[in-house]
Amino acid sequence: KAGVTQTPRYLIKTRGQQVTLSCSPISGHRSVSWYQQTPGQGLQFLFEYFSETQRNKGNFPGRFSGRQFSNSRSEMNVSTLELGDSALYLCASSLDRTTNEKLFFGSGTQLSVL
Amino acid sequence: DAKTTQPPSMDCAEGRAANLPCNHSTISGNEYVYWYRQIHSQGPQYIIHGLKNNETNEMASLIITEDRKSSTLILPHATLRDTAVYYCIVSAPFKYSGAGSYQLTFGKGTKLSVIP
Repeated sequence: KAGVTQTPRYLIKTRGQQVTLSCSPISGHRSVSWYQQTPGQGLQFLFEYFSETQRNKGNFPGRFSGRQFSNSRSEMNVSTLELGDSALYLCASSLDRTTNEKLFFGSGTQLSVL
Repeated sequence: DAKTTQPPSMDCAEGRAANLPCNHSTISGNEYVYWYRQIHSQGPQYIIHGLKNNETNEMASLIITEDRKSSTLILPHATLRDTAVYYCIVSAPFKYSGAGSYQLTFGKGTKLSVIP
């Protein structure tokens, strides 16, 4: 069974640009979560989607957005990039989160904003 | 979700058991204890989780104290590939925590170094 796939693996952008990151969950998984990881703040929750609906959102500005498609694939978008958005963006999937399901993480997209 | 406290770093000799402690004194009755680890430049990897009974799988054992205020992750025979940051997380299932509070809250974890 294929794991969580995130593309691209590395990305370099400049300030003010926007970026879209993609996540393909494990087959059959309907919940997709996004996390941001930086050396200073560690792993921080961005948002979670289930059945194309955002169920919860972390404490990030509106420049961070996401969506989920009917096949459970998810994308996240960051507009008007800032230097501080440089981070490893991680996607995780699970069957659902109504029970004590474990999360499966992808390898992440390393975003560098210059 | 309850807050956890872990030592920032630990060393373990290769082949010996690694015992990683975690304090979660404010854990509530419906919160589980999860352990994840993150090897450099990779996404976190699920290890094990439990509610109140001790648990064991092919990767590790989880020992939870009777009052549930602390737990220990045990890697029985540590190898160099076990060098990673280990995160202890307590979290309630979505159906109890509700849509407004769903997430996993990662602390800074314990950096485990396995020494040859």
